[in-house]
Amino acid sequence: EVQLVESGGGLVKPGGSLRLSCAASGFTFSDYSMNWVRQAPGKGLGLEWVSSISSTSSYIYYADSMTGRFTISRDNAKNSLYLQINSLRAEDTAVYYCVREGLQNYFDYWGQGTLVTVSS
Amino acid sequence: SYELTQPPSVSVSPGQTASIPCSGDRLGDKYVCWYQQKPGQSPVLVIYQDSQRPSGIPERFSGSNSGSTATLTISGTQAMDEADYYCQAWDSSTYVFGTGTKVTVL
Repeated sequence: EVQLVESGGGLVKPGGSLRLSCAASGFTFSDYSMNWVRQAPGKGLGLEWVSSISSTSSYIYYADSMTGRFTISRDNAKNSLYLQINSLRAEDTAVYYCVREGLQNYFDYWGQGTLVTVSS
Repeated sequence: SYELTQPPSVSVSPGQTASIPCSGDRLGDKYVCWYQQKPGQSPVLVIYQDSQRPSGIPERFSGSNSGSTATLTISGTQAMDEADYYCQAWDSSTYVFGTGTKVTVL
């Protein structure tokens, strides 16, 4: 059974940093590209793609609005995905999902999400 | 940047058909997938590659994509289908989600 378990969220002050982690199991992690997707809390605020990393970390992509403060990485030996977020802003407050990418640009498995709250 | 537009809400009676459009420039040239998200839960993939259903997704979910509009169709809608639905596509090395549609089963 595919499992993606995020951790590392919490309450952070504006300007702070956070490193999110995702522990993967139930599949060969090194065979798949992985992504982070976020969703601001509240009704109807939608899904926002953050970043993607290929299976060997050769290709990394970020949403235009995420370039500079966000860094995605992975450790295939540890079956883990990471997201470093610096200079946190109130608008970064969201549930961050770890997501496995299927063979043709779709997301077939999602974690339960970890909540990041940026507030003074 | 690329944008995908969905109506904020769609209402449907039980047993009837719900159609959810997703529009974007030359969307028919791209693969589109759809996600269902119920309150307090993570999204679930219901359609990929325009019209393919993942294992475990009921046959009442179907998809199409042509021109500038992709459509998710729920036939014989059930109360359990009440949820938010998002389309998604890949464009210029970025993933883009639609604005989302809340489906209400009245």
